[in-house]
Amino acid sequence: AQSVAQPEDQVNVAEGNPLTVKCTYSVSGNPYLFWYVQYPNRGLQFLLKYITGDNLVKGSYGFEAEFNKSQTSFHLKKPSALVSDSALYFCAVRGLSGAGSYQLTFGKGTKLSVIP
Amino acid sequence: KAGVTQTPRYLIKTRGQQVTLSCSPISGHRSVSWYQQTPGQGLQFLFEYFSETQRNKGNFPGRFSGRQFSNSRSEMNVSTLELGDSALYLCASSLGDRAVETQYFGPGTRLLVL
Repeated sequence: AQSVAQPEDQVNVAEGNPLTVKCTYSVSGNPYLFWYVQYPNRGLQFLLKYITGDNLVKGSYGFEAEFNKSQTSFHLKKPSALVSDSALYFCAVRGLSGAGSYQLTFGKGTKLSVIP
Repeated sequence: KAGVTQTPRYLIKTRGQQVTLSCSPISGHRSVSWYQQTPGQGLQFLFEYFSETQRNKGNFPGRFSGRQFSNSRSEMNVSTLELGDSALYLCASSLGDRAVETQYFGPGTRLLVL
């Protein structure tokens, strides 16, 4: 079974500073990794994914993520945070379930607060 | 292209009742997955449908069921509602059921059980 850990419930960062939201994963086989963002009273919006290839993945709204196989990590980053980036961020891994199909498993989420 | 739509957006029910939630996927998407989101348990996988077949089911009691129609629209049903069923129910669609597919989420249906 696969799992995702987001070790920080909340991350605070000043506007204009770089931000990092951490994620580690456990999965059998190739890791397929995703980041989503959720604004209040909204569904999840897809940011980016890692399938294969370059370890640095670029996504929407200036976000990027770094895949590190040896550390089983997939941290989300942005060079300069905006107040509008304040939201709940979810890391997810897609792996084979016992039923033989692929299941998306989410971390608990990290609340990002960007302080003006 | 229109996104994933879910109806209704909000619902209030009482214990013991049943409820049906609807999800219309993005045009051309054949896979639909359902998730339950609560503050305590986070996002939990309910089930996934592909081409009208249930491909996978999460660890939920049999009161939770679903189906998918030939046009890929999906419904989920919860019978004999309990207070703990209060949650945001999210539907997501993807082109297919391969691991590399991105799931796109709808706005959710917020269910309150009194």
